[in-house]
Amino acid sequence: GNSVTQMEGPVTLSEEAFLTINCTYTATGYPSLFWYVQYPGEGLQLLLKATKADDKGSNKGFEATYRKETTSFHLEKGSVQVSDSAVYFCALSASSGYSTLTFGKGTMLLVSP
Amino acid sequence: GAGVSQTPSNKVTEKGKYVELRCDPISGHTALYWYRQSLGQGPEFLIYFQGTGAADDSGLPNDRFFAVRPEGSVSTLKIQRTERGDSAVYLCASSSGATNEKLFFGSGTQLSVL
Repeated sequence: GNSVTQMEGPVTLSEEAFLTINCTYTATGYPSLFWYVQYPGEGLQLLLKATKADDKGSNKGFEATYRKETTSFHLEKGSVQVSDSAVYFCALSASSGYSTLTFGKGTMLLVSP
Repeated sequence: GAGVSQTPSNKVTEKGKYVELRCDPISGHTALYWYRQSLGQGPEFLIYFQGTGAADDSGLPNDRFFAVRPEGSVSTLKIQRTERGDSAVYLCASSSGATNEKLFFGSGTQLSVL
């Protein structure tokens, strides 16, 4: 079946540090890949997505590249801010015609001033 | 409304009781999803509605769980004979229904079964 594995947290960084959160997946066919973010006290929000191999999704300074050869979709940001502190979820959607998502366990990011 | 609304935000019940959780999706969204998030885990898919019908209920864990969406908008997730293992945050999401369309999530209902 489909599955998503992401690095365990918490990830603790100082402001302006470089961020990488690793995500790998297992799926049949050609899934679409997503990063969702959950800020404290808020619901899940789509951060970025990529729907085919070698696509790069980007938003708010975050980016991730769909790597089919390594089945990965690592999230990166060049310079994190305190406001980026949140839980980040990697997810995939199988090519089934609708958007049911399989999520990873989430990675908490804590950014200190 | 402006976003997906879920009520109640918190529900405490006793083992064996029946509970109903409500989801009010974004107006005009034809697709509606229920997910369950246990502590320290990512959300797990329960059921997907397209309009009034359940297009995929493969994630429902057993026959104690049931969901309806009679008029194609508001949905209710119903849990019979609740067990302590049902304690989790129940999330609802909606979308316009297109493939891989962005899902809009509600803030969830925290269910605690004592």
